[in-house]
Parts: sequence; structure tokens; C-alpha cells
Amino acid sequence: EIVMTQSPPTLSVSPGERATLSCRTSQIVSTNLAWYQQKAGQAPRLLISGASTRATGTPARFSGSGSGTEFTLTISSLQSEDFAVYYCQQYDNWPRTFGQGTKVEIK
Amino acid sequence: EVQLVQSGAEVKKPGESLKISCKGSGYDFSTHWIAWVRQMPGKGLEWMGIIYPGVSDTRYSPSFQGQVTISADKSINTAYLQWSYLQASDTAMYYCARHSHYMDVWGKGTTVTVSS
Repeated sequence: EIVMTQSPPTLSVSPGERATLSCRTSQIVSTNLAWYQQKAGQAPRLLISGASTRATGTPARFSGSGSGTEFTLTISSLQSEDFAVYYCQQYDNWPRTFGQGTKVEIK
Repeated sequence: EVQLVQSGAEVKKPGESLKISCKGSGYDFSTHWIAWVRQMPGKGLEWMGIIYPGVSDTRYSPSFQGQVTISADKSINTAYLQWSYLQASDTAMYYCARHSHYMDVWGKGTTVTVSS
């Protein structure tokens, strides 16, 4: 099973600032990686697939990068609606696995 | 509109059985995998397994194999997650999601509470 490690666990950011979230996989997954956003009390929502392809409706301030075992989700200028928990997920190997999440909170 | 509608919250006692559902609409349900994802209180997401409704092909995470059963009835566009013997540790939110490698459409979740 591929282990996903996200860092940091919590990121405190002021509105308007840039946020950089990291996801590392225990094995190479090429670009078979997705990012999800989960707001409190809501279901997760797909943000990015293929490591860097924004899903329909994902604002351009969200960008994904990386390949192999190191991935990054960047939010260029945080808006109030972006404070949430973000999860990465690999779909290169079975079983599919999630990272433990990074909580982006208001500084 | 593509959507997945999940059944309502459940409160059960340890040892009881349970089957929760996920009904798809707005797309060809039979030709898209459906995944089940667990989220225990205050914790992260766990991928449990998937089913291809067209032929009921299933794959489970080793962590959940033998603990739950995933099934589907393509005639009514519905997938199911069931337990034959609930334990307190099954208390969680359970999400279904349309699964094409990644999960692009999610249900709102079903809360399962197991308590004596």
C-alpha cells in the first residue's frame, strides 16, 4: 500500500497570502495524484487531478505541480472560502490511498 | 445534473446489521465505478473499496476486506455498503463517490452511529 504523507498538518495563513501544501508518496505514482478540499460539515470536493489539471469549477488561484513522489498544491491568494482541509490521493496503485490532510486555517 | 444521493443517518446497536445506499442520477450509472470512503469523527478520509455496477465487479482495500460488503443494483442506479455485525468502531461518516481513478462527484454522506 502506498503511504501518503502531507505537510504541514496545519497551515496558518492570512487572507490574501500564498499557501503551499506538500504531499509525498512512498512509491512513484507518476502524475496519478488528485487533491480534494473539504470544508467543515461538507463532503470532499475534487480540486485537481493528474497532479496539475484543475477540475471544473476550481478557481485559477489553485495550482498543482509535481510528479513521481513529490507534489505541491499552491493557493496563490487565499480567500475566506479557501479555509478548509485539503487531502491528496494517489490512483496509481491499489488500494487507492489518501494523505492525512492539511488544515488551512486563518492566521 | 450528475448527483449521488445517500440514505439518511443511522443509529444502531453493536452486533446489528446495516445496509446504506447511494443512488446515482444524471449519468450512466452502470458504466462508472462507485467508491465508498470512511471518515471517522475528527479524522481523515479512508478509501474502502469500489464497485462497477454494470457487472458488480468489486475491489476492496485490505483494511476493509471482510469487514464490509459493497454491492449494487444497476436496475435502480443504486450502490450499497453493508455490515453484518456492527461495532462501535464503525461509527463514522460514509461517503459514496463516482470513481474514475479519482473521485469527481460525491454524495453528502451518511452518518452511522453505533452505540449501546
